[in-house]
Amino acid sequence: EAQVTQNPRYLITVTGKKLTVTCSQNMNHEYMSWYRQDPGLGLRQIYYSMNVEVTDKGDVPEGYKVSRKEKRNFPLILESPSPNQTSLYFCASSLSSGGYNEQFFGPGTRLTVL
Amino acid sequence: AQSVSQHNHHVILSEAASLELGCNYSYGGTVNLFWYVQYPGQHLQLLLKYFSGDPLVKGIKGFEAEFIKSKFSFNLRKPSVQWSDTAEYFCAVNRYGQNFVFGPGTRLSVLP
Repeated sequence: EAQVTQNPRYLITVTGKKLTVTCSQNMNHEYMSWYRQDPGLGLRQIYYSMNVEVTDKGDVPEGYKVSRKEKRNFPLILESPSPNQTSLYFCASSLSSGGYNEQFFGPGTRLTVL
Repeated sequence: AQSVSQHNHHVILSEAASLELGCNYSYGGTVNLFWYVQYPGQHLQLLLKYFSGDPLVKGIKGFEAEFIKSKFSFNLRKPSVQWSDTAEYFCAVNRYGQNFVFGPGTRLSVLP
């Protein structure tokens, strides 16, 4: 089944404790992206990747890192999480960054930073 | 900078009422347009998309949207909503080789 998976789905952590949220897609998509969703603010893009080893900042990249060492995986790293990073995070992928390709979304990761 | 606006933050309707959600984008040129839906507690799913051709596109679950180039708009419509349409709706835009941009979302509440 074609899908985007994220792990973990729920995470409660403390300020300053490094964490990684994994994202994987099995559709051979070039484009992958991370968003955070907060009440009243909609979806805001954190980072995106056009292809392997190509990443770029979105609208709200501060406090986050990403890597794209292989096509299927696009982990989101919080080196030193803070309470303002408490949010719902979605990973998404599409065949390419433009043209006639919609994004497919993962199930989301709900992160709480105490 | 590219931007996408959605007219309403929260819409409340009774079942069987007609729905229209507005979406406007800020830049010209050839664009690809999408509407996504997020049911409570779920991830975003594609409702419909427009790339070219007939500006009136039909999606799943009886939804349709009309692209009006001169107004930079891509409004979502449904003739008769159901309680199960309660969800958040997001408009999104992209251009070839550029990033996807999402609107802030419109929350739809349908009263039984």
